Amino acid sequence: KQEVTQIPAALSVPEGENLVLNCSFTDSAIYNLQWFRQDPGKGLTSLLLIQSSQREQTSGRLNASLDKSSGRSTLYIAASQPGDSATYLCASEGETSGSRLTFGEGTQLTVNP
Amino acid sequence: DTGVSQDPRHKITKRGQNVTFRCDPISEHNRLYWYRQTLGQGPEFLTYFQNEAQLEKSRLLSDRFSAERPKGSFSTLEIQRTEQGDSAMYLCASSGTGTSYNEQFFGPGTRLTVL
Repeated sequence: KQEVTQIPAALSVPEGENLVLNCSFTDSAIYNLQWFRQDPGKGLTSLLLIQSSQREQTSGRLNASLDKSSGRSTLYIAASQPGDSATYLCASEGETSGSRLTFGEGTQLTVNP
Repeated sequence: DTGVSQDPRHKITKRGQNVTFRCDPISEHNRLYWYRQTLGQGPEFLTYFQNEAQLEKSRLLSDRFSAERPKGSFSTLEIQRTEQGDSAMYLCASSGTGTSYNEQFFGPGTRLTVL
């Protein structure tokens, strides 16, 4: 059974700082890994999807990497802004688990002005 | 592309009542998913449809839960004889076209409170 872990659970940084969020998964047989953002009381917004054949994906100030062999993904946020404050979730789609996503518990990010 | 929509956004009910939620996926998407999320946790998979066929169900989906997608478009999730433990955010997602056909897009969720 896939298990996804996100470290740290919470992170507080000053505005402008570059930061890295970590995601690890126990079963490396994945089709893809997806990063989401969730604002309080809201649904999930898809940020980046990395297919298993890819090493990284970039969108604006966000860069996500994937290392299947070590069971790790990172989300890099450059020049953080207060509007980046949210909970960030990673989720994997497994090769043997159908189309379901298995989520971590998230990292709650606060960017202070 | 109007995104995934869910109705209602909030539902308060008394224990023992039945509730039904609706999800309208992105129109060209053939896959639809239901997840449940409790406070401070990541979403947990409940069930998945490809077109009108329900292809996968989690063990979390007890016999009090039923989901349908009768015409392969919108879906409903019904909970019978609600319990306080059913209180959660119920999220719907869809996927299925283009180069990122397996990228899942989520709706705003339905927050259920069982008193």
